[in-house]
Amino acid sequence: AQSVAQPEDQVNVAEGNPLTVKCTYSVSGNPYLFWYVQYPNRGLQFLLKYITGDNLVKGSYGFEAEFNKSQTSFHLKKPSALVSDSALYFCAVTRAGSYQLTFGKGTKLSVIP
Amino acid sequence: NAGVTQTPKFQVLKTGQSMTLQCAQDMNHEYMSWYRQDPGMGLRLIHYSVGAGITDQGEVPNGYNVSRSTTEDFPLRLLSAAPSQTSVYFCASKISGGLVGSSEAFFGQGTRLTVV
Repeated sequence: AQSVAQPEDQVNVAEGNPLTVKCTYSVSGNPYLFWYVQYPNRGLQFLLKYITGDNLVKGSYGFEAEFNKSQTSFHLKKPSALVSDSALYFCAVTRAGSYQLTFGKGTKLSVIP
Repeated sequence: NAGVTQTPKFQVLKTGQSMTLQCAQDMNHEYMSWYRQDPGMGLRLIHYSVGAGITDQGEVPNGYNVSRSTTEDFPLRLLSAAPSQTSVYFCASKISGGLVGSSEAFFGQGTRLTVV
């Protein structure tokens, strides 16, 4: 079985400050890890993914994430938060060779002006 | 390209009624799936399909049926609606080429269903 934990239901950060949204995972085999963002009343949009290679992956809108195999983590980061980054963020995992994505419960990010 | 299109966007059903949620994609993706999103529970997989004629159950399949007669369409049927099925439903598709599972999913805008 595979699972994702997002330990924070909500993260508040001041505009211009760095932000981190945490994600840990559990999966048998090699993990494929994803971050998605959901704006109000919208579907999920893909931000970035880790498949293999460099542990630091860069994605859309200035976001990046670091894969840490020993800590089974894939935290989402951005150096300078924007008010427009306020949204619901989901981490997801699948194992290599599987299509089935398992999502975390989501973290609501609020960027305060 | 329209991407993934879901209809309707909103629906209210009475307990016991049946209905079909429509999902269509124009990206020629082999893999399609249905999720439900409930507050504090993230997205949970209902059913999925790896190609026309092939479907399988996800984490929460009870009360739902699917079929996949074409690559483009993947409808979700509620057989006898219950209040516990009040949720937001998302359809998603993924390309199947390359490393299996490595491609990102494309999501529709969602269907907000209320069962009274």
